[in-house]
Amino acid sequence: QKEVEQNSGPLSVPEGAIASLNCTYSDRGSQSFFWYRQYSGKSPELIMFIYSNGDKEDGRFTAQLNKASQYVSLLIRDSQPSDSATYLCAVPRGSYIPTFGRGTSLIVHP
Amino acid sequence: DTAVSQTPKYLVTQMGNDKSIKCEQNLGHDTMYWYKQDSKKFLKIMFSYNNKELIINETVPNRFSPKSPDKAHLNLHINSLELGDSAVYFCASSPKRTGGNGYTFGSGTRLTVV
Repeated sequence: QKEVEQNSGPLSVPEGAIASLNCTYSDRGSQSFFWYRQYSGKSPELIMFIYSNGDKEDGRFTAQLNKASQYVSLLIRDSQPSDSATYLCAVPRGSYIPTFGRGTSLIVHP
Repeated sequence: DTAVSQTPKYLVTQMGNDKSIKCEQNLGHDTMYWYKQDSKKFLKIMFSYNNKELIINETVPNRFSPKSPDKAHLNLHINSLELGDSAVYFCASSPKRTGGNGYTFGSGTRLTVV
């Protein structure tokens, strides 16, 4: 089993819809979870992080953790064409080795 | 002020050459990283230093050698470059070794070996 898995997509949603991105992880002891956005040709940019103690909402973005099932999700409300990018999930394994998923490509069409 | 800066941005070189990439962060972070992103966009950790101490050394050919003269700098030297080394190399930093509130990436160095 890969350490951090994401569906590569593309996930295509209409403008204004909710985009739901998921990430599963294998290290049951993981304590922190990060979501990054990467535009083509650019570097990854942190958009959300959560710890194992709870979910988090920031503007149009919500990150949710399901520890029992070992997955973390990112919801993007009112999706905009500018949200079109690859979304990377990162979960440190062994508490400090940053491990990224392969990313999910999101396309928001007008 | 750029938080994590790496140079050069582009590097085109012939097989067998030796090259270096430099990285500097002005965030006061304790931990710095080198990642390789291949053509399929998979971002893989290579090395990490915490306060100048090597703490992560993933399965990387020993042609790759990191060096951290101080906690604000992390350089990557690559000997005897091969075609398969072509990729984008990202430097990153974080407040502490567990990631803290996240990893901040540099703009990347696109290495092309011909």
